[in-house]
Amino acid sequence: DAGVTQSPTHLIKTRGQQVTLRCSPISGHKSVSWYQQVLGQGPQFIFQYYEKEERGRGNFPDRFSARQFPNYSSELNVNALLLGDSALYLCASSSRHPGYTFGSGTRLTVV
Amino acid sequence: QKEVEQNSGPLSVPEGAIASLNCTYSDRGSQSFFWYRQYSGKSPELIMFIYSNGDKEDGRFTAQLNKASQYVSLLIRDSQPSDSATYLCASLPPLAGGTSYGKLTFGQGTILTVHP
Repeated sequence: DAGVTQSPTHLIKTRGQQVTLRCSPISGHKSVSWYQQVLGQGPQFIFQYYEKEERGRGNFPDRFSARQFPNYSSELNVNALLLGDSALYLCASSSRHPGYTFGSGTRLTVV
Repeated sequence: QKEVEQNSGPLSVPEGAIASLNCTYSDRGSQSFFWYRQYSGKSPELIMFIYSNGDKEDGRFTAQLNKASQYVSLLIRDSQPSDSATYLCASLPPLAGGTSYGKLTFGQGTILTVHP
């Protein structure tokens, strides 16, 4: 079975640009969450989608947005990139308990 | 106060020893707790979860939960150099109506080094 797949794996962007990150959940999983992990810290919750509806949003500015498609895949968009947006962006999918399975992440570097 | 706090590291233990990783949480409503292992440059990998007070064992790993003290721990017996990683503790509130969505709240992680 394919796990959670994320693309791209690495990305370098310039300040002020926009970026779109993509995630495909495990087959049958209807919930997708996005997390940001800055070096040396634990992942921070950004968004959660379940059945194509936003079910939770973390403490992130409106520059961050996301959506979930009918096939349960998801995109995370970040506008007007700042240097501080440089991080590992993780997508996780879940069905029922236990736990959330993370994808391999997208390493975003803003220069 | 952080919602989930882990004991400050890094933690260094000799091969074959028991590694003890600790975590406290502030939200008494938290219902489920997870331990993830994260190798450098990789994504977190779920190794244990626990819902009920007491101990839960899986191979060399034992998770312990004390809801009264709001304390979660992970013991790794017979530590191996391959256990060297960052260990993340995470909490989850009760899931609404049997659904599968909820916000994982992570601690900052504890770096474990197992030296030969």
